[in-house]
Amino acid sequence: GAVVSQHPSRVICKSGTSVKIECRSLDFQATTMFWYRQFPKQSLMLMATSNEGSKATYEQGVEKDKFLINHASLTLSTLTVTSAHPEDSSFYICSAKPQGNSNQPQHFGDGTRLSIL
Amino acid sequence: QKEVEQDPGPLSVPEGAIVSLNCTYSNSAFQYFMWYRQYSRKGPELLMYTYSSGNKEDGRFTAQVDKSSKYISLFIRDSQPSDSATYLCAMEKGGANNLFFGTGTRLTVIP
Repeated sequence: GAVVSQHPSRVICKSGTSVKIECRSLDFQATTMFWYRQFPKQSLMLMATSNEGSKATYEQGVEKDKFLINHASLTLSTLTVTSAHPEDSSFYICSAKPQGNSNQPQHFGDGTRLSIL
Repeated sequence: QKEVEQDPGPLSVPEGAIVSLNCTYSNSAFQYFMWYRQYSRKGPELLMYTYSSGNKEDGRFTAQVDKSSKYISLFIRDSQPSDSATYLCAMEKGGANNLFFGTGTRLTVIP
């Protein structure tokens, strides 16, 4: 149980392109989902907290106009990297927390490797 | 000082060895403690989730929490080459959602 699916797993695109990444909780509902960024050999860095039906909460230093988050349902959150540039190349990972019991752990997707040429 | 400290390794052990992975933390507000395993180019996979001080066992894995010393451990018995991965400790404050991660320890189990 508690499976989180992330799509696509790999994106290679030209500079200036906008890229959308989907995060789905497959067997549970998630009021809250999270978006992380991970650089090689480093730990995960929280970018934003996505709340169903309301605006996302962004961490300090993360541009909300650059990284658009939509959490339209209890099973889907999307991250759109707008006008992506090479410095946006990274490993993006989402996680979800089961609805109802706030003491449940976060479950992670398998990540999206984004490469901007 | 980081809120969660974890030795990044790398750590290499022979197959069958007992592995000990550790994290320390400074904030006594942390109440929930997790260990995740992350294979290369994959997302973290939840291994253990604990709340109280003491031990929790699941197969070859044992998680240990000592809140008085602000110290958590993960023990892996009879380690296998398939255990080779990066192990991340993570912690959460009560009533909040944010996870605080250690830097991760890279483990290699040599056949």
